[in-house]
Amino acid sequence: QVQLVQSGSELKKPGASVKVSCKASGYTFTSYAMNWVRQAPGQGLEWMGWINTNTGNPTYAQGFTGRFVFSLDTSVSTAYLQISSLKAEDTAVYYCARAVCTNGVCRFDYWGQGTLVTVSS
Amino acid sequence: SSELTQDPAVSVALGQTVRITCQGDSLRSYYASWYQQKPGQAPVLVIYGKNNRPSGIPDRFSGSSSGNTASLTITGAQAEDEADYYCNSRDSSGNLVVFGGGTKLTVL
Repeated sequence: QVQLVQSGSELKKPGASVKVSCKASGYTFTSYAMNWVRQAPGQGLEWMGWINTNTGNPTYAQGFTGRFVFSLDTSVSTAYLQISSLKAEDTAVYYCARAVCTNGVCRFDYWGQGTLVTVSS
Repeated sequence: SSELTQDPAVSVALGQTVRITCQGDSLRSYYASWYQQKPGQAPVLVIYGKNNRPSGIPDRFSGSSSGNTASLTITGAQAEDEADYYCNSRDSSGNLVVFGGGTKLTVL
């Protein structure tokens, strides 16, 4: 069965960096794009962008350029989200989600369990 | 516009039918997908495309679309349907993805 398993919660100080992992299993990793979604406390879902798992080419949503980096290690079917120069407002749950995009629709059919990143001094 | 607009909150009596809507220009070109999120849990895909349900999603969930509006309908709402519901779609350019702000569904 398809599973996306994310790394555990992180507590970081402002200015530090964090790297969240998302390990996929149960399917061919390079056949589906991987997306990242942020959910701040008490807020809605916010699409951060996606990475082409074939080419490694990332696409970032507005507001997620510069400090946010998507990467892959296809040898272990894992996607990564790195956030640098952390700020308090980066405190959120970060989800990875597999995407299936066909003609007129792009659906996120499997999600990781989420990783809580807390930024506090 | 690349935004999707949802009503913040909707309520329904147990066993009744409720429609949750999502509006945006991109919906004239692309179908929406719908996700259910319960507190402390990851979102779950419930409807995608014209009206497709993933395996395991009850058939009381259905989707439709007209013009710039996509709708998620729950026919015979159950207590376990109380959750936040989000729509998403490609944006107008087709290159990016956008989420609606979410609708909190209360089952009375």
